[in-house]
Amino acid sequence: DTAVSQTPKYLVTQMGNDKSIKCEQNLGHDTMYWYKQDSKKFLKIMFSYNNKELIINETVPNRFSPKSPDKAHLNLHINSLELGDSAVYFCASSQGDPQRSLQHFGDGTRLSIL
Amino acid sequence: KNQVEQSPQSLIILEGKNCTLQCNYTVSPFSNLRWYKQDTGRGPVSLTIMTFSENTKSNGRYTATLDADTKQSSLHITASQLSDSASYICVVSAMDSSYKLIFGSGTRLLVRP
Repeated sequence: DTAVSQTPKYLVTQMGNDKSIKCEQNLGHDTMYWYKQDSKKFLKIMFSYNNKELIINETVPNRFSPKSPDKAHLNLHINSLELGDSAVYFCASSQGDPQRSLQHFGDGTRLSIL
Repeated sequence: KNQVEQSPQSLIILEGKNCTLQCNYTVSPFSNLRWYKQDTGRGPVSLTIMTFSENTKSNGRYTATLDADTKQSSLHITASQLSDSASYICVVSAMDSSYKLIFGSGTRLLVRP
């Protein structure tokens, strides 16, 4: 009964490919997020959806496209993968005011570009 | 320049000992400050969250302090256990409409038997 689950856990692919990462939360939260954790371990927000509506869209290449089919799901599609996309991508969710509510994180998807 | 700086970068202590991790931030104004624990290969898990009006908050053996005047926070771990080995991340929420959390790079703690 994992609260925030991401698939796949590991993703190894070649440069130029297109791939998707899926995220689902069973906490009944209304807000979901995608973060990127780089090699220096900084976590940076990429996108956030509140009730299926985009509320945060950081300076991210337009090769990254989030999709939220419903409140419980937020998927991330990446086109034309580049070497610099190698990182750990975390999905998170929260309920209520994003500035005050606790975020619950998934265990990450480790993306490696060959 | 990152707005949340943590020290030390890494720390090794013996089981049963106490330790204190530091966080300095320049985010202003800020809404709240959080400490997360991230085990290797896992996502961050929240330990404490404090608003600017709170000075201290405890969660079991973890005690966080906040000095909003000097923009400093600390996380004190008492009677460390092997399971405390993890990265501890300080996170500041900016008080604006951006809804963004600003993360430090973390302190990697290793507790040895």
